[in-house]
Amino acid sequence: TQLLEQSPQFLSIQEGENLTVYCNSSSVFSSLQWYRQEPGEGPVLLVTVVTGGEVKKLKRLTFQFGDARKDSSLHITAAQPGDTGLYLCAGNQENTGKLIFGQGTTLQVKP
Amino acid sequence: NAGVMQNPRHLVRRRGQEARLRCSPMKGHSHVYWYRQLPEEGLKFMVYLQKENIIDESGMPKERFSAEFPKEGPSILRIQQVVRGDSAAYFCASSPIGRGWTGANVLTFGAGSRLTVL
Repeated sequence: TQLLEQSPQFLSIQEGENLTVYCNSSSVFSSLQWYRQEPGEGPVLLVTVVTGGEVKKLKRLTFQFGDARKDSSLHITAAQPGDTGLYLCAGNQENTGKLIFGQGTTLQVKP
Repeated sequence: NAGVMQNPRHLVRRRGQEARLRCSPMKGHSHVYWYRQLPEEGLKFMVYLQKENIIDESGMPKERFSAEFPKEGPSILRIQQVVRGDSAAYFCASSPIGRGWTGANVLTFGAGSRLTVL
């Protein structure tokens, strides 16, 4: 079974700080997605990265897909309380397209 | 455009009862996926269905759990004789394309059904 390891599992920071969340695997994925989930709701897609080495920016969020397509990172600049939530990475298995989720990173941004 | 609709949002059952969770995919989506989530954890794949077909049920417990996606109507996840360990949030997602496509299979998730077993 392919595993996606996310780190850190929990992160509590002050407003204005920067942070990075990592998503690592020993397996190759055809694409990788990042979702954000708020309490009581379903995950909402933030971004999809497909090409090794790809970098995508979404306002203060920067997503990177590793060159070998085995890992990814999410960097948030100047975090705000509205960024609080559960961040999930999910990879598409190369041969089957099955979407495998990491265990998530719970982010709390204090005002 | 309605998104993925799940109901009920909350369901309370006593041990031994049956739970039925419904999912209507986005318009135009014919691929449905069910995932289970425990508190503060990621989503665990359960089953992937197309209309009238179960494509992959490798994540589904062998007993008490079943899923269907009939030609007409919503997809149903059915849990018979529920136990406390079945308490979780169950998420349905849909996509317009199926797995096996060598690209990004992007899923749209519903808000989930939260099952509590007393």
